[in-house]
Amino acid sequence: SYMLTQPPSVSVAPGKTATITCGGDNIGSKSVHWYQQKPGQAPVMVIYYGTDRPSGIPERFSGSNSGNTATLTVSRVEAGDEADYYCQVWDSSSDHYVFGTGTKVTVL
Amino acid sequence: EVQLVESGGGLVQPGRSLRLSCAASGFTFDDYAMHWVRQGPGKGLEWVSGISWNSGTIGYADSVKGRFTISRNNARNSLYLQLNSLTAEDTAFFFCAKASARMLGSAGYFDLWGLGTLVTVSS
Repeated sequence: SYMLTQPPSVSVAPGKTATITCGGDNIGSKSVHWYQQKPGQAPVMVIYYGTDRPSGIPERFSGSNSGNTATLTVSRVEAGDEADYYCQVWDSSSDHYVFGTGTKVTVL
Repeated sequence: EVQLVESGGGLVQPGRSLRLSCAASGFTFDDYAMHWVRQGPGKGLEWVSGISWNSGTIGYADSVKGRFTISRNNARNSLYLQLNSLTAEDTAFFFCAKASARMLGSAGYFDLWGLGTLVTVSS
């Protein structure tokens, strides 16, 4: 089955840039979506179709996708960005939706 | 207000059944596919099941296929998940999620989530 691998944790100082990767076989050929989940809350979509931002999501959130790696970048990180982040794709081989393993972003 | 509200969770013994419900409001329910996603304690997100706008296409994760049944009632703006033969591994928060498209597949992402309902399987 298709797997998406993310680093378990990323630490970043306020004002700096957090980079969260999502690795998968030829993921660049798939549509990748990203979700933010704060403790005790439901997930919120922050990027869809790899690079698009829903209304209400700051421009500090951006995405890219190529080859075997998709990336979520959070610029000018704020304390409120501290959360778990998950990537997600549709695996046409299994007709399943697949989530990444998740990355905990800690703001120092 | 656009929202999804889950209900029906609780403590259940191994081998027993439970039925979850999700009430939708604030959008045209029968225009979208709907899904259930779960999250075990301290774990990541796992897609459980999805259903197209007209119930014509249904999908299940391998871990629940044959035990769980998804359904919807468009007249009542409601989504359901019947959970049978529960095991301790099914202990999780179950989230209802709205898809961005009518059908299951690559065009879909989850653009609205409920707060979840907790299912605890224990004797």
